Amino acid sequence: DAKTTQPPSMDCAEGRAANLPCNHSTISGNEYVYWYRQIHSQGPQYIIHGLKNNETNEMASLIITEDRKSSTLILPHATLRDTAVYYCIVRVENAGGTSYGKLTFGQGTILTVHP
Amino acid sequence: DAGITQSPRYKITETGRQVTLMCHQTWSHSYMFWYRQDLGHGLRLIYYSAAADITDKGEVPDGYVVSRSKTENFPLTLESATRSQTSVYFCASRRQGAEAFFGQGTRLTVV
Repeated sequence: DAKTTQPPSMDCAEGRAANLPCNHSTISGNEYVYWYRQIHSQGPQYIIHGLKNNETNEMASLIITEDRKSSTLILPHATLRDTAVYYCIVRVENAGGTSYGKLTFGQGTILTVHP
Repeated sequence: DAGITQSPRYKITETGRQVTLMCHQTWSHSYMFWYRQDLGHGLRLIYYSAAADITDKGEVPDGYVVSRSKTENFPLTLESATRSQTSVYFCASRRQGAEAFFGQGTRLTVV
């Protein structure tokens, strides 16, 4: 699976949009971009994923560049409860094989939302 | 209740003892995973399983054993616990083509 690069930390004011970048310049055509977050001491929580097109759900939006070498996770109105470590993961979706589906986590971005 | 549960939530054991961490999911997901999380290392994959009776090593498998006799259970055994295995352990499951769901974690201390 392709490696990702994220800034180690970011700050955001409550109520403002948080834009978390991720670089995945070696991504291949069949790899999806996934975002998870981990709030202190809890298990990671799925946020959103995409292949080529931009995606939006009730939690966030995912913007993937046309060349797919980078993406941005957008939390439109950050709250204090969004303070967490955010992980960007790229993963291939094979048709079979035992390596199918495993997630490899990097160091992530520590997002701190302040009042 | 539907979901993924880990037990115990907290465990203290002595060096050299065998300890088993349990993971149970109610969705019949094919894929299950065990991770450990340590300060400075983030989440590291120990073992994963694509289906019952199919398991494979992850990034840090040494000292651990897994089994998957039933789809819903994926126990992780430390055959002879060492202090370096003190960590927080997370289990996860997913179905094909979907996101993974994680348990709440087991905090293991080896003294």
